[in-house]
Amino acid sequence: EPEVTQTPSHQVTQMGQEVILRCVPISNHLYFYWYRQILGQKVEFLVSFYNNEISEKSEIFDDQFSVERPDGSNFTLKIRSTKLEDSAMYFCASTATGTGVEKLFFGSGTQLSVL
Amino acid sequence: GDSVTQMEGPVTLSEEAFLTINCTYTATGYPSLFWYVQYPGEGLQLLLKATKADDKGSNKGFEATYRKETTSFHLEKGSVQVSDSAVYFCALLKGYSTLTFGKGTMLLVSP
Repeated sequence: EPEVTQTPSHQVTQMGQEVILRCVPISNHLYFYWYRQILGQKVEFLVSFYNNEISEKSEIFDDQFSVERPDGSNFTLKIRSTKLEDSAMYFCASTATGTGVEKLFFGSGTQLSVL
Repeated sequence: GDSVTQMEGPVTLSEEAFLTINCTYTATGYPSLFWYVQYPGEGLQLLLKATKADDKGSNKGFEATYRKETTSFHLEKGSVQVSDSAVYFCALLKGYSTLTFGKGTMLLVSP
């Protein structure tokens, strides 16, 4: 079965450093998403991306965050200057169409720890 | 805004016990409701869904009924197995593909 792949599974970084989280969506998918879960809290929507641009973003997704699809296969989330409160599990997801979460596939997540 | 509240975990059960994981939601309008499951080391997977009031979603022995009067979507299974040990997330959808999740409830099933 096709799957969304996220790397690395764990990332440790120092506060103030830039970090890039990588995702390889399923190959024929067109819509891409990032969610995150701070330990003990809810899974929160960050951003959706379609046709090389952001289609929706939450209030969490401020100027410190950016997304990119650099080469047609990867979908990355960059945090420009990490803060302690950015420590969380980050989930990437993709789907072929923009409607119907039945076909929304999630990766296994990247655990980001900011020290 | 929209929100989902799940019971705190972990829920610890013996094999073949009855499972209930409570989920309530707050939303205007008529959201669709979902349960996702995350097995260790894997991504979130859709377990079941219900798109309108009184619908019952079911899959792999799990069931949940969309109760608009109580704004609830409780997950149940009559007889859990060790392999059901995972984290379960309740979620709602309004609009296209942006989900609002709960915190997740860990289920631990012992032999």
